[in-house]
Amino acid sequence: ETGVTQTPRHLVMGMTNKKSLKCEQHLGHNAMYWYKQSAKKPLELMFVYNFKEQTENNSVPSRFSPECPNSSHLFLHLHTLQPEDSALYLCASSQVVSTGADTQYFGPGTRLTVL
Amino acid sequence: AQKVTQAQTEISVVEKEDVTLDCVYETRDTTYYLFWYKQPPSGELVFLIRRNSFDEQNEISGRYSWNFQKSTSSFNFTITASQVVDSAVYFCALSEARTGGFKTIFGAGTRLFVKA
Repeated sequence: ETGVTQTPRHLVMGMTNKKSLKCEQHLGHNAMYWYKQSAKKPLELMFVYNFKEQTENNSVPSRFSPECPNSSHLFLHLHTLQPEDSALYLCASSQVVSTGADTQYFGPGTRLTVL
Repeated sequence: AQKVTQAQTEISVVEKEDVTLDCVYETRDTTYYLFWYKQPPSGELVFLIRRNSFDEQNEISGRYSWNFQKSTSSFNFTITASQVVDSAVYFCALSEARTGGFKTIFGAGTRLFVKA
């Protein structure tokens, strides 16, 4: 495997279900990100992990719960979602450098539909 | 505050035409980085280029070229002799040196249709 992988690629869930999205990066990076991409909205940064520590949480509802067990893996646990949470969820990783010149590399995304 | 504006929502061209995608940014920092990403229908954002604020040299990579002008706060992207495979959504992004990738701001994207 190379780059950033995400599973599953597609997910349909009811509002009472609990599911998890998985992201794995094979680039040796030290930071990982979750983004939400909804139709007609800009890319929204949800969470950032730097060396497994959460550094950003952009006012994301508690029904989204991230987990970063190590620098290569990132999860997004979902529970009691709403239909408006239907979107493409993108994972990214980067190598944080002192100059701030880190470039994010993205996975293919998980297309989530909440019924 | 940082901001990225891609005023063109959609552009449609015929194959072999040249097309320029506009990107205008705002930042108060003197050191910053600008990016372009391509998002084909498969969904993955593919990194195309990064420029830093101290390097205003234009760059060419095959059919792609980028024009960075600090005087107008623009970082435009030109595809020469477009092809159907260029059809995608293109995002311009900005990050400031003091926050790095943690605060990367993306534009709304420009959807490019290239017709055969």
